[in-house]
Amino acid sequence: EAQVTQNPRYLITVTGKKLTVTCSQNMNHEYMSWYRQDPGLGLRQIYYSMNVEVTDKGDVPEGYKVSRKEKRNFPLILESPSPNQTSLYFCASSLYRIKNRSLSGANVLTFGAGSRLTVL
Amino acid sequence: TQLLEQSPQFLSIQEGENLTVYCNSSSVFSSLQWYRQEPGEGPVLLVTVVTGGEVKKLKRLTFQFGDARKDSSLHITAAQPGDTGLYLCAGYLTGSGNTGKLIFGQGTTLQVKP
Repeated sequence: EAQVTQNPRYLITVTGKKLTVTCSQNMNHEYMSWYRQDPGLGLRQIYYSMNVEVTDKGDVPEGYKVSRKEKRNFPLILESPSPNQTSLYFCASSLYRIKNRSLSGANVLTFGAGSRLTVL
Repeated sequence: TQLLEQSPQFLSIQEGENLTVYCNSSSVFSSLQWYRQEPGEGPVLLVTVVTGGEVKKLKRLTFQFGDARKDSSLHITAAQPGDTGLYLCAGYLTGSGNTGKLIFGQGTTLQVKP
């Protein structure tokens, strides 16, 4: 089954304790992205990657790191989590089509089921 | 400041009523997508609109992309309880510096009462 798998689904941690949320897709997609979802703010892009070894900042990258060493994996790293990073996190992937210098609207994002993180 | 303003943010209606959700911006988008999200799950794509003025229909759902590609609307006819969920609009910004960036609106939580 084609899917995006995130782990863990739920995590409660304490301020400053490094953590990694893993994301893996089995669709051979070039494009992968991380979002956080907060009430009243919708989904905000943290980081994205258009291919292996290529990562770029989204709108809210502060406090996060990512890596793309393999096509299928795109882990999200919180080196020193803080309470304002308490949120619902989504990983997503898609094929990658460029049209007129913009990611083509034909790129359909497949989302993972989400990871709910609480930082105390 | 929200780049994509979605309204209303909450909507509670009776079964059979019609409704429209709006997604507005001062920026131009190369395309715009509408997603629906159920509790405990990730968003799922409903439709992509690409051409200014484009109208797409998906059963009782009608999607429209503004002529200037700055806004979009979702109209649901004769809403049913199964339509309950969070609806999100998302747009791909134009310009080389924005390649890969997909911007989401705040979302509209729709509740359809039987």
